[in-house]
Amino acid sequence: QSVLTQSPSVFAAPGQKVSISCSGRDSNIGNNYVAWYQQLPGTAPKLLIYDNDKRPSGIPDRFSGSKSGTSATLGITGLQTGDEADYYCGTWDDYLAAGVFGGGTKVTVL
Amino acid sequence: EVQLVESGGGLVQPGGSLRLSCVVSGFTFSHFSMNWVRQTPGRGLEWLSYIGSRSDVIYYEDSVKGRFTISRDNAKNSLYLQMNSLRAEDTALYYCVRCGVKCGGGGYYDLDVWGQGTAVTVSS
Repeated sequence: QSVLTQSPSVFAAPGQKVSISCSGRDSNIGNNYVAWYQQLPGTAPKLLIYDNDKRPSGIPDRFSGSKSGTSATLGITGLQTGDEADYYCGTWDDYLAAGVFGGGTKVTVL
Repeated sequence: EVQLVESGGGLVQPGGSLRLSCVVSGFTFSHFSMNWVRQTPGRGLEWLSYIGSRSDVIYYEDSVKGRFTISRDNAKNSLYLQMNSLRAEDTALYYCVRCGVKCGGGGYYDLDVWGQGTAVTVSS
């Protein structure tokens, strides 16, 4: 059971927009910045969004992040087949004194 | 190029020990805090441990507390994870992960560089 809650899967057609939610509590998302990670099949996770809404160099602006209270959202616009991957949210939990992740959301492009 | 290369994984019997190593290059290792994260097909990503840039702060996930020990040698650009009393549920792919430059305070916690992982199998 993951500390952060994500829906297991989302399906969408090429070109569409998807939103992936990540729910937590005050001790984690409420108090700290959220990051999002993309894991393509057979590869290590890669940082996609940091500090709630910032994109590392090289990440296209089709990817966006936001946070409100104890929830965060990853948005992907102009969906491409290459975006098929597992997406994880992560942050620090002050109460647990631990890093925490969501269970991951698998994005399938129909 | 920034690189993290893990090694030391393998097959070990329950109750046994392994020491994972991670050698880094392409950045000033002593300036960054580091983490170990593992992944199993059924359990997604699981954070295990964090160590500050000068080994001054260390945290562990509860299930490995007392069994795993994180350490680093800044002179050797290396991160380690000593794993004792291994259990079948420790079977996973273990990643060495760099924490972003702002990690360690102010609510910042982004894992910005990941190794390719080293596989650990605990089985008799």
